[in-house]
Amino acid sequence: DAGVTQSPTHLIKTRGQQVTLRCSPKSGHDTVSWYQQALGQGPQFIFQYYEEEERQRGNFPDRFSGHQFPNYSSELNVNALLLGDSALYLCASSFTATGVGYTFGSGTRLTVV
Amino acid sequence: EDKVVQSPLSLVVHEGDTVTLNCSYEVTNFRSLLWYKQEKKAPTFLFMLTSSGIEKKSGRLSSILDKKELFSILNITATQTGDSAIYLCAAISSNTGKLIFGQGTTLQVKP
Repeated sequence: DAGVTQSPTHLIKTRGQQVTLRCSPKSGHDTVSWYQQALGQGPQFIFQYYEEEERQRGNFPDRFSGHQFPNYSSELNVNALLLGDSALYLCASSFTATGVGYTFGSGTRLTVV
Repeated sequence: EDKVVQSPLSLVVHEGDTVTLNCSYEVTNFRSLLWYKQEKKAPTFLFMLTSSGIEKKSGRLSSILDKKELFSILNITATQTGDSAIYLCAAISSNTGKLIFGQGTTLQVKP
């Protein structure tokens, strides 16, 4: 039973560029949530997708957008990258929007230079 | 605004010591509290606590929730170097289903 898979594992981008991160949820899970974890901090909620719609959103600018596909996989897009966007981006999947059975992927380490 | 606070932020102990990590929360329509261990990247699940006063145990780790005082503790007995990690506490609101994390406690266990 595959867990949550994220790609790529590492990424280096230049300020102003755009980036797309990908997440495949655990089998049987239908909800995907994205978190940003800056160095030395706890993960911060970006948004949550369920039934291909954004259901919840944290305090992140519109430069952060996402998508969920019919197979429940998800993408996180960040436009106009800033140095402050450098962080570990974690994807977590769960069953239904109530968050039962949260499972995290290994994350994508994004470095903006 | 929903908030989760962990203490201490960092801790250095020696193998064999017992540690207690604290987590307090203020979350609207609180549903459950979760503890995770994060060694390199993916947080790995330790405990989910929903009922007050019921201790959950897994080997040398145990945790309990106090819904009246709005806090939880994670105990690790007979610590080992492999326990060195960041320990994250997160609360779930029934309203939103999202995890609200604390800052984490960085535990270093020295030989």
